Amino acid sequence: KQEVTQIPAALSVPEGENLVLNCSFTDSAIYNLQWFRQDPGKGLTSLLLIQSSQREQTSGRLNASLDKSSGRSTLYIAASQPGDSATYLCAVRPGAAGNKLTFGGGTRVLVKP
Amino acid sequence: DTGVSQNPRHKITKRGQNVTFRCDPISEHNRLYWYRQTLGQGPEFLTYFQNEAQLEKSRLLSDRFSAERPKGSFSTLEIQRTEQGDSAMYLCASSLVQARLTDTQYFGPGTRLTVL
Repeated sequence: KQEVTQIPAALSVPEGENLVLNCSFTDSAIYNLQWFRQDPGKGLTSLLLIQSSQREQTSGRLNASLDKSSGRSTLYIAASQPGDSATYLCAVRPGAAGNKLTFGGGTRVLVKP
Repeated sequence: DTGVSQNPRHKITKRGQNVTFRCDPISEHNRLYWYRQTLGQGPEFLTYFQNEAQLEKSRLLSDRFSAERPKGSFSTLEIQRTEQGDSAMYLCASSLVQARLTDTQYFGPGTRLTVL
């Protein structure tokens, strides 16, 4: 059974500092990995999706890397801003035919002005 | 493209009552998913539909839960005889599956259920 872990559960940084969020998964046979952002009481917004054949994806200040063999992904957010404060979730998809996403518990980020 | 919508956004009910939630997916999307998220946790898969067919159900979906997608468009999730443990955010997502292309799931804002 796939298990996804995100450590730490919470993180507080001063504005301008780079953020590094970690995600680990137990079964390396994944189809893709996705990072989401969730604001309090709201739904999920997709940030980046990395296919299993890819090593990284970039969008603006966000960069996500994937090391499938070691079961790890890292989300980097450069020059953090207070508006980046949210919970960040990673989710893995088991295979091309598999449809359900398995989520980690999330990392709650606070960027202090 | 108006995104995935869910109604109601909030529902407070008393233990033992039945509740029904609705999800309207993005219009051309053929897959629809339901997830449940409890406080401080990541979402957990409940079930999904391809068009009107319900293709997979999680063990989390007890016999008190039923989901339908009668015309392959909107979906409803009903919980009968609600229990306090059913209190959670219920999230809906939709995706478009096309041959050889990755389908990305787009999530709605969720329905927050509180069972008193």
